[in-house]
Amino acid sequence: GNSVTQMEGPVTLSEEAFLTINCTYTATGYPSLFWYVQYPGEGLQLLLKATKADDKGSNKGFEATYRKETTSFHLEKGSVQVSDSAVYFCALRRGTDKLIFGTGTRLQVFP
Amino acid sequence: KAGVTQTPRYLIKTRGQQVTLSCSPISGHRSVSWYQQTPGQGLQFLFEYFSETQRNKGNFPGRFSGRQFSNSRSEMNVSTLELGDSALYLCASSEDPKNIQYFGAGTRLSVL
Repeated sequence: GNSVTQMEGPVTLSEEAFLTINCTYTATGYPSLFWYVQYPGEGLQLLLKATKADDKGSNKGFEATYRKETTSFHLEKGSVQVSDSAVYFCALRRGTDKLIFGTGTRLQVFP
Repeated sequence: KAGVTQTPRYLIKTRGQQVTLSCSPISGHRSVSWYQQTPGQGLQFLFEYFSETQRNKGNFPGRFSGRQFSNSRSEMNVSTLELGDSALYLCASSEDPKNIQYFGAGTRLSVL
């Protein structure tokens, strides 16, 4: 079946460090891919998305590229801030089917 | 535009009771989905409603049910609560099933 695998957390970084959170997926066809972020005590916010191979989603300095050949959608940011501390979820969706989420990766950024 | 509103934010119930959670979607959104979030199982899909019809359902027992009203507001009900039902329940709305889902802040249910 369709699934999403994310790297285990927590990821601990100093402010201004480079961030990569790995995400790979298993799916038939061409799903849409998403990154959602969850801040403490809040729901999920859409961070970025990509709907076809080689698309690059970007928002607030975060980027992720839809790589069909490696079935990956890794999240990157060049310089993280303390305010980026949150849990990040990779997700896929085929057509109008349900969202399928990874297990989430907690990011902790220290000053 | 107001976001997705879920009420109540927190609930404490005891085993065997039932509970109803409410979700008001973003104005103009007709699709509502529900998810359960737990530390052990992560985010799991419960069901989706569109124009008052359930169009998709996850693998949860029949104790979990939902409905959608003509104004697109949705409720989910859990009967005969079990300890394992303790979770954050998230509602998401979208204009229609093919559009991006926007999430509410969730209802945190604790079953004692």
